[in-house]
Amino acid sequence: AQTVTQSQPEMSVQEAETVTLSCTYDTSESDYYLFWYKQPPSRQMILVIRQEAYKQQNATENRFSVNFQKAAKSFSLKISDSQLGDAAMYFCAYFSSSGTYKYIFGTGTRLKVLA
Amino acid sequence: GAVVSQHPSWVICKSGTSVKIECRSLDFQATTMFWYRQFPKQSLMLMATSNEGSKATYEQGVEKDKFLINHASLTLSTLTVTSAHPEDSSFYICSATRTESSYEQYFGPGTRLTVT
Repeated sequence: AQTVTQSQPEMSVQEAETVTLSCTYDTSESDYYLFWYKQPPSRQMILVIRQEAYKQQNATENRFSVNFQKAAKSFSLKISDSQLGDAAMYFCAYFSSSGTYKYIFGTGTRLKVLA
Repeated sequence: GAVVSQHPSWVICKSGTSVKIECRSLDFQATTMFWYRQFPKQSLMLMATSNEGSKATYEQGVEKDKFLINHASLTLSTLTVTSAHPEDSSFYICSATRTESSYEQYFGPGTRLTVT
């Protein structure tokens, strides 16, 4: 069975600085997607970034980028120029298109942004 | 596009009563809808997966008779918590996928259920 691990329950970053959130996963499949979701205090889940496993190039969305290491099964999220609005829970999620079509979520990392 | 709504956003009910939560895809047809439960400061726990016109598939440990899921159309799924008890108090989130992109789930804003 697939698993997703987020080993950092909480992280802090100074405003305008860069922070990296870690995520590792375990799977025997070759075709899958990985996601980072943000859940602010409103609790609305917001898609931050998506990575297709077949793509070698790391996904980037403005200040958000990932470091996807398929062999190491690692999928970290880098947030550059951190802003106060980035403070939230961040969840890493795995989806297999050849499996059950369900997301498997990590336990989450709470990001605090210090002014 | 790809907006999912939930109603109500917050509901308080008395112990022993039933409460229904609606999940709607507003601008697309949802192939599949998912129901999650989230406890404070925890991750999302998948409760069940539903496809329009068929019975929901429940995750292990989820009581199907307590959490009734109906997926009546391609834009509406409902979760009914029957004979609610205080331990059912939680935050319930639904999500939906489109036919053309089954890998991406669009999440509703969630419903906070408080059972007194």
